[in-house]
Amino acid sequence: KQEVTQIPAALSVPEGENLVLNCSFTDSAIYNLQWFRQDPGKGLTSLLLIQSSQREQTSGRLNASLDKSSGRSTLYIAASQPGDSATYLCAVRSDTGRRALTFGSGTRLQVQP
Amino acid sequence: DAGVTQSPTHLIKTRGQHVTLRCSPISGHKSVSWYQQVLGQGPQFIFQYYEKEERGRGNFPDRFSARQFPNYSSELNVNALLLGDSALYLCASSLDPGASEKLFFGSGTQLSVL
Repeated sequence: KQEVTQIPAALSVPEGENLVLNCSFTDSAIYNLQWFRQDPGKGLTSLLLIQSSQREQTSGRLNASLDKSSGRSTLYIAASQPGDSATYLCAVRSDTGRRALTFGSGTRLQVQP
Repeated sequence: DAGVTQSPTHLIKTRGQHVTLRCSPISGHKSVSWYQQVLGQGPQFIFQYYEKEERGRGNFPDRFSARQFPNYSSELNVNALLLGDSALYLCASSLDPGASEKLFFGSGTQLSVL
């Protein structure tokens, strides 16, 4: 059974810092990995999707890497802003079974102005 | 273009009641999935539908059921509500159920069971 863990559970940083969010998964037989942002009580906004054959994806100040063999992904946020405050969720789509997304519990980020 | 729309946005029910949640996918998307998110946790997969057929089911009791209509919209039904069913219910759509497809999520329905 696939399990996804995100560390840290919560993070508070001053504005302007570069930061890294971590995601690990137990079964390396994945099809892809997706990072989402969730604001309180709201739905999920897709940030980056990395296929299993890719090593990284970039969008603006965001960069996500994937090391499938070690079961790890990182989301790098450059020059953080107060508007980045949200919960960041990592989800993997397994290459076997029903191929639904398996989510981690998220990292709650607070960027202080 | 409209994104994934869900209704209602909030709902309060009592134990034992029945609830129906609705979802309209992005125009052109034929696959709809349902997820349950309990406070403080990541979403958990409930169902996936494509072309009106169930393509996947998560580890949820038979009290949970769903269907997809010819216009690709979907309903999630939950019978005999329990306190533990209180959660944010999220609907996601994609062009097809292929594993490479990116999912687009709605804003969810917040269900409170008293």
